[in-house]
Amino acid sequence: QKEVEQNSGPLSVPEGAIASLNCTYSDRGSQSFFWYRQYSGKSPELIMFIYSNGDKEDGRFTAQLNKASQYVSLLIRDSQPSDSATYLCAVNLPSGNTPLVFGKGTRLSVIA
Amino acid sequence: GAGVSQSPSNKVTEKGKDVELRCDPISGHTALYWYRQSLGQGLEFLIYFQGNSAPDKSGLPSDRFSAERTGGSVSTLTIQRTQQEDSAVYLCASSFMIEGGTDTQYFGPGTRLTVL
Repeated sequence: QKEVEQNSGPLSVPEGAIASLNCTYSDRGSQSFFWYRQYSGKSPELIMFIYSNGDKEDGRFTAQLNKASQYVSLLIRDSQPSDSATYLCAVNLPSGNTPLVFGKGTRLSVIA
Repeated sequence: GAGVSQSPSNKVTEKGKDVELRCDPISGHTALYWYRQSLGQGLEFLIYFQGNSAPDKSGLPSDRFSAERTGGSVSTLTIQRTQQEDSAVYLCASSFMIEGGTDTQYFGPGTRLTVL
């Protein structure tokens, strides 16, 4: 069974700190990994995706992928109160045409 | 360019009535997805289309739910004889899915359904 696990939170960090969000997945064949941000009352919006082991940076966001350990993480540097949202991890299987499998999300609260 | 659009943005209906929710995907996107999200909960996958066909209907919660897509574009999700537990935000997403490729989904703003 395809599963994507995230700690539901809330994860509270002070403004300016690094927020670290983690996600584990069960299917070792997974190859594409996505992070979405969802503000309360809004729909999910794509932050970034990663395919290869290692780090991928985009502004204050860094995605980290470790396929051997089957986890993917999202680091948010210099966290701002506007980063307070639920962060969804999603995983794409390589075989055939299968949709993304989403985790239930981690709620992040950045305290000013 | 234009993103995914959904209509109506809000729908209030009485228990037992039928409702139709519409999704207009990003132009050129081949795949279209429907999700449901209850208050404070995660995304619940309902159904997806590749072109006009639905390879995976496993998420539809009951036979009161159906969906169709015509012309490889607009999709309609229909809920018959609505129940109060159907109240949720219904989200649509689209992607340019190719065989063995990456499925980057882009979401619409959602339709908030309230069944009284």
